[in-house]
Amino acid sequence: NAGVTQTPKFQVLKTGQSMTLQCAQDMNHEYMSWYRQDPGMGLRLIHYSVGAGITDQGEVPNGYNVSRSTTEDFPLRLLSAAPSQTSVYFCASRPPPGQGGGYTFGSGTRLTVV
Amino acid sequence: QQQVKQSPQSLIVQKGGISIINCAYENTAFDYFPWYQQFPGKGPALLIAIRPDVSEKKEGRFTISFNKSAKQFSLHIMDSQPGDSATYFCASGWRYSTLTFGKGTMLLVSP
Repeated sequence: NAGVTQTPKFQVLKTGQSMTLQCAQDMNHEYMSWYRQDPGMGLRLIHYSVGAGITDQGEVPNGYNVSRSTTEDFPLRLLSAAPSQTSVYFCASRPPPGQGGGYTFGSGTRLTVV
Repeated sequence: QQQVKQSPQSLIVQKGGISIINCAYENTAFDYFPWYQQFPGKGPALLIAIRPDVSEKKEGRFTISFNKSAKQFSLHIMDSQPGDSATYFCASGWRYSTLTFGKGTMLLVSP
């Protein structure tokens, strides 16, 4: 099925551990982004990419790294996890200018840092 | 960072009633104002969106009302159903750039 696929769905990390949240889309969307969702805070933009090789910071980029080597994949890396990074993470993509539709979100990764 | 102020935080409506959620944005240059619906354990899904050159857009039971001079827009859900119980997010930005989201409204439609 076409869409945005995120893995894993759940993850528990210890403080200081590293991990990569995976995101892949098969809609040939150039634009991809990562959001975190916390209770009462809505969706906050972490990083985004407008195409392979191009990334930029969003509202809350500290503690996260991204890279975009292909159109399909946009992984989010936590180099040294902290309890403040406990959250639900969503990856989203959107079609290019001239095509209809808004953001397509993945189903999320629920991350707990202990 | 441009803010989007969404209210109320939570809303309880009886089945068949009208649900109304409001948002206020800051940047008059924005050209895209979508609403997203999120069910527990799922990602947000686009519900309806409006451009600033129209004052209202209706899709089924869902209507966006847009007031450019007041920098406000709202979502109206007519004949609300228990299946509409979800969290709703407004957003604003440029259609082909990043979006800023409101903090969300939890809607509960009682049977």
